[in-house]
Amino acid sequence: DAGVTQSPTHLIKTRGQHVTLRCSPISGHKSVSWYQQVLGQGPQFIFQYYEKEERGRGNFPDRFSARQFPNYSSELNVNALLLGDSALYLCASSRDTVNTEAFFGQGTRLTVV
Amino acid sequence: AQTVTQSQPEMSVQEAETVTLSCTYDTSESDYYLFWYKQPPSRQMILVIRQEAYKQQNATENRFSVNFQKAAKSFSLKISDSQLGDAAMYFCAYRGGNRDDKIIFGKGTRLHILP
Repeated sequence: DAGVTQSPTHLIKTRGQHVTLRCSPISGHKSVSWYQQVLGQGPQFIFQYYEKEERGRGNFPDRFSARQFPNYSSELNVNALLLGDSALYLCASSRDTVNTEAFFGQGTRLTVV
Repeated sequence: AQTVTQSQPEMSVQEAETVTLSCTYDTSESDYYLFWYKQPPSRQMILVIRQEAYKQQNATENRFSVNFQKAAKSFSLKISDSQLGDAAMYFCAYRGGNRDDKIIFGKGTRLHILP
């Protein structure tokens, strides 16, 4: 089975632009979570979606939004990009929301210039 | 709010030796899970070992074992017979047990393996 796949792998955007990051979970996994990892730090939780509904939101501004589709894939959208949004964005999928292992993708490296 | 603290930004160990990475956490929950993740240069976060808070026995996975001290809120990772492939960033992480999939990570410890 394929693991968690994220696209694109790398992205360069200009301040003020909008970006969409995509994640395909492992087959059979219904929960998708997004994390932001700034260089030199641990990942920080942004969103969790389960069965297409938002189940959790971290301390991020409203410029960040996400959604989950009927096939359980997910998109993370960031509007009005700032230099500080430059980071590795990780997607994790799990079968359920309780007591199941989270599997991570290789991330999307976003650079805002 | 739950927090995870890793006080060692970097560590080095000789190949084949043993190294221990430290982690402390803070929570008011009684049901939770603790993890150690490895992040090599490939960027993919890989689960190394997992500990359920209700289990008194320390988890082990081959060369990796933990020392879970619930009262002290301490969760250290011991790597035995260190190998060059163990070089990576290691993150200690916490997840609550109350239908909450959110994982809280520490800042990480970069482990260097010296040949």
